[in-house]
Amino acid sequence: RKEVEQDPGPFNVPEGATVAFNCTYSNSASQSFFWYRQDCRKEPKLLMSVYSSGNEDGRFTAQLNRASQYISLLIRDSKLSDSATYLCVVNQATGGFKTIFGAGTRLFVKA
Amino acid sequence: SQTIHQWPATLVQPVGSPLSLECTVEGTSNPNLYWYRQAAGRGLQLLFYSVGIGQISSEVPQNLSASRPQDRQFILSSKKLLLSDSGFYLCAWSVLGTLNTIYFGEGSWLTVV
Repeated sequence: RKEVEQDPGPFNVPEGATVAFNCTYSNSASQSFFWYRQDCRKEPKLLMSVYSSGNEDGRFTAQLNRASQYISLLIRDSKLSDSATYLCVVNQATGGFKTIFGAGTRLFVKA
Repeated sequence: SQTIHQWPATLVQPVGSPLSLECTVEGTSNPNLYWYRQAAGRGLQLLFYSVGIGQISSEVPQNLSASRPQDRQFILSSKKLLLSDSGFYLCAWSVLGTLNTIYFGEGSWLTVV
């Protein structure tokens, strides 16, 4: 089983749609969680951290379920510019920090 | 604010030639530094990380090596490139205590021919 698993997609949605990405992690001792966005042929960029109580940043909502070891990202009112690959990232505290990146979920938003 | 610079951005190298990619971080002290590789259409693979000058940990056996001659400088090298070394190489930094959030440089596209 992979340490961090994501549905690779692609997700093809029309502008204005709501889309949700899911991610599961295997290590129950994982301590911090993030979503990154990666555009084609570019570096990954931090989209948002994921807090235990859930957090929102504009059209983006992230949620964490520690009991189920599950993280989600919800994008409301999708824009063409949201087209990208979304990476789920988990930090495990193992003497230092070990950062595990999911393989990413590809999103295409169409007009 | 912190910035990370990585170069060169693109390079095409023949098989058997050497490689040197360089990365520097500004605006922070004693960062954790990383080299990742991303093959076409694949996820990120951690190659090396460093918690301090001269301290390098390798995650996978390979044709590559890393060095950290200064606190904010990280270098990825190879003596003889293989075709399989082609990919997108990303330098990154983090500071422990800030949830170890990782920030990436703009990346270097390497094509070995």
